[in-house]
Amino acid sequence: GQNIDQPTEMTATEGAIVQINCTYQTSGFNGLFWYQQHAGEAPTFLSYNVLDGLEEKGRFSSFLSRSKGYSYLLLKELQMKDSASYLCAVGSSNTGKLIFGQGTTLQVKP
Amino acid sequence: EAGVTQFPSHSVIEKGQTVTLRCDPISGHDNLYWYRRVMGKEIKFLLHFVKESKQDESGMPNNRFLAERTGGTYSTLKVQPAELEDSGVYFCASSRSYEQYFGPGTRLTVT
Repeated sequence: GQNIDQPTEMTATEGAIVQINCTYQTSGFNGLFWYQQHAGEAPTFLSYNVLDGLEEKGRFSSFLSRSKGYSYLLLKELQMKDSASYLCAVGSSNTGKLIFGQGTTLQVKP
Repeated sequence: EAGVTQFPSHSVIEKGQTVTLRCDPISGHDNLYWYRRVMGKEIKFLLHFVKESKQDESGMPNNRFLAERTGGTYSTLKVQPAELEDSGVYFCASSRSYEQYFGPGTRLTVT
């Protein structure tokens, strides 16, 4: 079956660092995606990992370990606007469809 | 470059009625996806078009759902007749390669 797990909620302080973990078990794998979604808006692409290791993009970094079925999204220098839902998704091996986790709601406090 | 647009943004219909949702992908994107998020659940894949052809419709819940993509441009998703469990947010996404760009979604409420 397909299973993607991530924490439901997290809280962090402005200026701090937060790590959002995601574990997955899927029948196919064609990359691990992270999306950000503000309430009532479209999910927006943050990162894509297909090989093991760390990908850094500004304040955001994403890590993948395929052997462990594990990824994390690291957000540095948190800002209030980073309060949002963060969606972990696995790309299907053949068709390109995304299989999503339930999302992690991050609240950044002053 | 205009993003993915969806119409309507909200729709409230009664059980048994028909509703048609529309998605306009980013120009030049051959891949078009439909997803749905039911309250309290994760976003789930419905189907995938490559140009005007259905590449994968394994996520379509049942035959009350019909998706089309006229001329490989915009797409419609029709629900007929709608049931209570069809309520949720329907997202459309388009892509050239691996990065999918999502629309803001259509919130469908079936009463």
